[in-house]
Amino acid sequence: NAGVTQTPKFRILKIGQSMTLQCTQDMNHNYMYWYRQDPGMGLKLIYYSVGAGITDKGEVPNGYNVSRSTTEDFPLRLELAAPSQTSVYFCASSPPGGITEAFFGQGTRLTVV
Amino acid sequence: GENVEQHPSTLSVQEGDSAVIKCTYSDSASNYFPWYKQELGKRPQLIIDIRSNVGEKKDQRIAVTLNKTAKHFSLHITETQPEDSAVYFCAASKNYGGATNKLIFGTGTLLAVQP
Repeated sequence: NAGVTQTPKFRILKIGQSMTLQCTQDMNHNYMYWYRQDPGMGLKLIYYSVGAGITDKGEVPNGYNVSRSTTEDFPLRLELAAPSQTSVYFCASSPPGGITEAFFGQGTRLTVV
Repeated sequence: GENVEQHPSTLSVQEGDSAVIKCTYSDSASNYFPWYKQELGKRPQLIIDIRSNVGEKKDQRIAVTLNKTAKHFSLHITETQPEDSAVYFCAASKNYGGATNKLIFGTGTLLAVQP
C-alpha cells in the first residue's frame, strides 16, 4: 500500500492563480481531511469528508473548495490564490468505524507570491 | 466547536531527563486523544493515543494521562534521547454514531533534547 499520496510536493503560485492539490489513498478509508500548517503553528482543519459525496467545512475553509467523487480521492481547490494561503498542506485519512489513527500524506509546500 | 490548547510551545531538556507536555480541550464530548510527532520536514505520525474510558496508557518510554473532569491530558516522555527532538501535537476528536472523527490539533510543542 502506498498510503496517502499528495501531489505536487512543492508549488509556487502567483496571486490570483488557481490550482488543485491532489490527494489519494489506497487504504479504503472513509474519512479524509485537509489540514494547513503555517510556520511554527499547529494543524488547522480546512475541510473533511466522511465518505464519497459528503464534505463539510473545518476550522478555516475560506478560500478553498473540495469534492469527494470517489472513496480514494479528495482534491483541494484554491480558486484565487492569496499570500495568506502560503502554507504546508497535509491530506490525511482514517478508517471507518470509530476513533482511530489518521494517516498523513507527505505534504504540499505552497508559496503564493 | 472543539478547541485544544497546548503548553509549553517550546521545551528543552537534557538527555535522560523527562519531558511533559500538557493539553486542555473544550468539548466535554470528545472521546479520543492522540499524540503526533512531527520531525523536521516530515509528516505527523501517531505515537500514542488514549480513549476516554481509560485514565492512562503507556508504551515503553512514553505515556499519556487523561483527566476527563478537568478536560486535560498530558504526554510524558521518560529517559529522553536526542532522537526524541521533534514537534509534538496533541489532538482531540469525538465519534459517536453519526459524529465524525475529525481531529482538532493543539498548536504544537517543539521539544529539544540536548546531548
